[in-house]
Amino acid sequence: GPKVLQIPSHQIIDMGQMVTLNCDPVSNHLYFYWYKQILGQQMEFLVNFYNGKVMEKSKLFKDQFSVERPDGSYFTLKIQPTALEDSAVYFCASSLEQGRNSDYTFGSGTRLLVI
Amino acid sequence: QQKVQQSPESLIVPEGAMTSLNCTFSDSASQYFAWYRQHSGKAPKALMSIFSNGEKEEGRFTIHLNKASLHFSLHIRDSQPSDSALYLCAVRGAYKVIFGKGTHLHVLP
Repeated sequence: GPKVLQIPSHQIIDMGQMVTLNCDPVSNHLYFYWYKQILGQQMEFLVNFYNGKVMEKSKLFKDQFSVERPDGSYFTLKIQPTALEDSAVYFCASSLEQGRNSDYTFGSGTRLLVI
Repeated sequence: QQKVQQSPESLIVPEGAMTSLNCTFSDSASQYFAWYRQHSGKAPKALMSIFSNGEKEEGRFTIHLNKASLHFSLHIRDSQPSDSALYLCAVRGAYKVIFGKGTHLHVLP
């Protein structure tokens, strides 16, 4: 079936540096999401993006985080500057709508390690 | 703030058994209730979803929703070793889906 592609699959970065996580969503999907999962813990909502705008963000979506999808290219999550507690798996997801076709299609995640 | 909780945390069943997974939620205005399955190192994948009270069956899988009890469940008939995975329940309010922590299911051959 349709897939969400996340690039890179793994990233190691020095604390304080900037990192950009890339997501190529399902081509006809309109809603985009980022989730954060620390090993062994719940997958937690970060942000929901639609029509070029953030619809909702959680308290985990700190000021150092930003998202964009310029001109239908990758949907990106940028962290600047990174902190040790940002180490986690970041999952991107997309959905066609928010009604009856609300099922999310997830990517396989980007494993981010901040050292 | 929506709270979504799953039970049990882990479950071991023999091949051929009926498996039942549970999920409770706190927001009675929630609109979308779903189960996702995640194999180790892979993307979570939607299994089944339901929007109104009652049951829905697809093959060996049945989802049951009781909004009044703030509870829904997933039942797997004739469980197979290939069903072994992390099962996540998911509930959506306005804009976002909140996931439970998951139930680790192991089906022994």
